[in-house]
Amino acid sequence: SYELTQPPSVSVSPGQTARITCSGDALPKQYAYWYQQKPGQAPVLVIYKDSERPSGIPERFSGSSSGTTVTLTISGVQAEDEADYYCQSADSSGTVFGGGTKLTVL
Amino acid sequence: QVQLQESGPGLVKPSETLSLTCAVSGYSISSGYYWGWIRQPPGKGLEWIGSIYHSGSTYYNPSLKSRVTISVDTSKNQFSLKLSSVTAADTAVYYCARVIWTVTPEAFDIWGQGTMVTVSS
Repeated sequence: SYELTQPPSVSVSPGQTARITCSGDALPKQYAYWYQQKPGQAPVLVIYKDSERPSGIPERFSGSSSGTTVTLTISGVQAEDEADYYCQSADSSGTVFGGGTKLTVL
Repeated sequence: QVQLQESGPGLVKPSETLSLTCAVSGYSISSGYYWGWIRQPPGKGLEWIGSIYHSGSTYYNPSLKSRVTISVDTSKNQFSLKLSSVTAADTAVYYCARVIWTVTPEAFDIWGQGTMVTVSS
């Protein structure tokens, strides 16, 4: 199996842009997905197939991919975006989650 | 809308088998999609356990495969998880989820609220 590596924490002021990275050798070959998880709640899918946004997810959430790194970008961060964010990918051997990144809105 | 609800004992003794069920409403399991289980130990990250198709085809996390069985009951529109020989390390919130897929299971678009399971004597 493979690993996905995320920074443990990212801090940003309201209105600024937050970028959360996820690195893994399999990412050039597999799609990446991103989840937002607030305390005491189930995760919510915010980005699928590297850069697609599910219905109901604000436009300020976007995703991109370059080589072995995928990036979740939150533009114009709001206080309500403070949460844990997890990347995830999958192949024929199974599904892997990154370790998670805590986004703090200062 | 599609909803998933986990149920099962909140306390399991060490060495015993953890059993959980996920009831699906608003969508027929037989219509497609994979269905999966994910867990999250207190204060830690997410761990995929396994996924099942309505036909019974399964994918399991290699690190848990020897202890995990996931089954589906289309007549009751639900699927289940059994994890044998549990230890304190299996204490976690257990989530069930709908799995979007292409050739293989890909990601989780709808989640249950989760259920806390504690392994303790």
